Amino acid sequence: EAGVTQFPSHSVIEKGQTVTLRCDPISGHDNLYWYRRVMGKEIKFLLHFVKESKQDESGMPNNRFLAERTGGTYSTLKVQPAELEDSGVYFCASSQAAGATGELFFGEGSRLTVL
Amino acid sequence: AQSVTQLGSHVSVSEGALVLLRCNYSSSVPPYLFWYVQYPNQGLQLLLKYTSAATLVKGINGFEAEFKKSETSFHLTKPSAHMSDAAEYFCAVTLSGGYQKVTFGTGTKLQVIP
Repeated sequence: EAGVTQFPSHSVIEKGQTVTLRCDPISGHDNLYWYRRVMGKEIKFLLHFVKESKQDESGMPNNRFLAERTGGTYSTLKVQPAELEDSGVYFCASSQAAGATGELFFGEGSRLTVL
Repeated sequence: AQSVTQLGSHVSVSEGALVLLRCNYSSSVPPYLFWYVQYPNQGLQLLLKYTSAATLVKGINGFEAEFKKSETSFHLTKPSAHMSDAAEYFCAVTLSGGYQKVTFGTGTKLQVIP
């Protein structure tokens, strides 16, 4: 069974450009999460989808970030326009079970570098 | 609100020595606690979890952690370190009974010295 896959693994862009990160969760997982880790800091929650609906987007930094989950399958996270402080590793995770006892399955992350 | 504090961003141990990675949590309600590991160039992998059953939790690769409510701690241990244990370890917490918004610590990089 395929795990959570993320694309691209690494993206280098200039300030002001746009980047779109993609996450394919494990098939059948209704819950999809985005997290971000800025260098040396904690892994911070960005948002949570249940199927195609945003359950919680309280961690989204500002309106330059837009997340979508088309048809409740894959998800994209767009940053437009990118700023220097957006650099970091963006992790996607999925889970089958609603509720805290379910395990989160993480992708390998997409490293974003904004110059 | 919940949070976790990991003491020590870098820990070095000799191969065969005890591994002890510290985590303290703060939670307004009974928490669920996790340890995740990230090996180089890989995603995060669940090591073990505490969900209000046994306070001593055993995980993969010989790791275990003990939930101590009186100390608000969930330290990760392994009796004998292997070279393959070199990785970054994250303590995480979520609130019991709720949906799964997980809060992570800042991580501890474990170095194993031959």
